[in-house]
Amino acid sequence: EDQVTQSPEALRLQEGESSSLNCSYTVSGLRGLFWYRQDPGKGPEFLFTLYSAGEEKEKERLKATLTKKESFLHITAPKPEDSATYLCAVQAGGYQKVTFGTGTKLQVIP
Amino acid sequence: GAGVSQSPRYKVAKRGQDVALRCDPISGHVSLFWYQQALGQGPEFLTYFQNEAQLDKSGLPSDRFFAERPEGSVSTLKIQRTQQEDSAVYLCASSLATSGGWQFFGPGTRLTVL
Repeated sequence: EDQVTQSPEALRLQEGESSSLNCSYTVSGLRGLFWYRQDPGKGPEFLFTLYSAGEEKEKERLKATLTKKESFLHITAPKPEDSATYLCAVQAGGYQKVTFGTGTKLQVIP
Repeated sequence: GAGVSQSPRYKVAKRGQDVALRCDPISGHVSLFWYQQALGQGPEFLTYFQNEAQLDKSGLPSDRFFAERPEGSVSTLKIQRTQQEDSAVYLCASSLATSGGWQFFGPGTRLTVL
C-alpha cells in the first residue's frame, strides 16, 4: 500500500526565514508526486508535479525537488501570504488513486 | 464558472438520514475524483470516474456510500443512513487527463451528522 509521510506537522517561520518541508513516500512504481496548497475552508490548489528523481520545479518563492524516497518543498524568504497547509500526494502503479499525506501547516509571521 | 463547484457547501444531517452531495467538474474534464477529508488530515481517496465509468471505488468506506456520474459530467456522492463518523469535508476534483494526474479541486461540502 502506498504511504506518504510529511514532516514537520507544523512550522512557524518569521517572514524572510527560509526553510524546507519534507515528504517521504513508499510506493511501487511512482508515476507522479504532487504538491498542493490548501487554505482554510478551501479545496487544495495544485502547485507542482514531479515525475522522476532529480527533477526540480520552481514557482515564485517555492521550489520542489524529488529523490527516489522523498520530496522537499523549499520556501525561500517566505511572506505571510504563504501561510497555508502544504499537502504532498503520490500516484503509483497502474492506478488512478492518489494518496495524500497529512500535510504541513505553515505559519509565516510578519 | 471556470472552476469545480460543489453543493451544498454545508450540510447538517440527523443520524440515519440519507444525503446527496453534488459536484460540477470543469467542462471537458474526463477524470473525476471524490475524497473525504477529516479535520487536520489529508484528503482520502474514495472513488474515481473516467467519463461515466466508475473505474475505482476501493476507497468507499462502506456500502452506505454510493457515487454516480451518469452522463460523464456532473457527479453525485450519496451516503445512506448517515453515521456520526461520516462527518467530514467531502472534496471533488477533476482532471483533463485520463491518467488523473494533477487535479482541480472544488471547495468541498462540509457534512455534519448529529
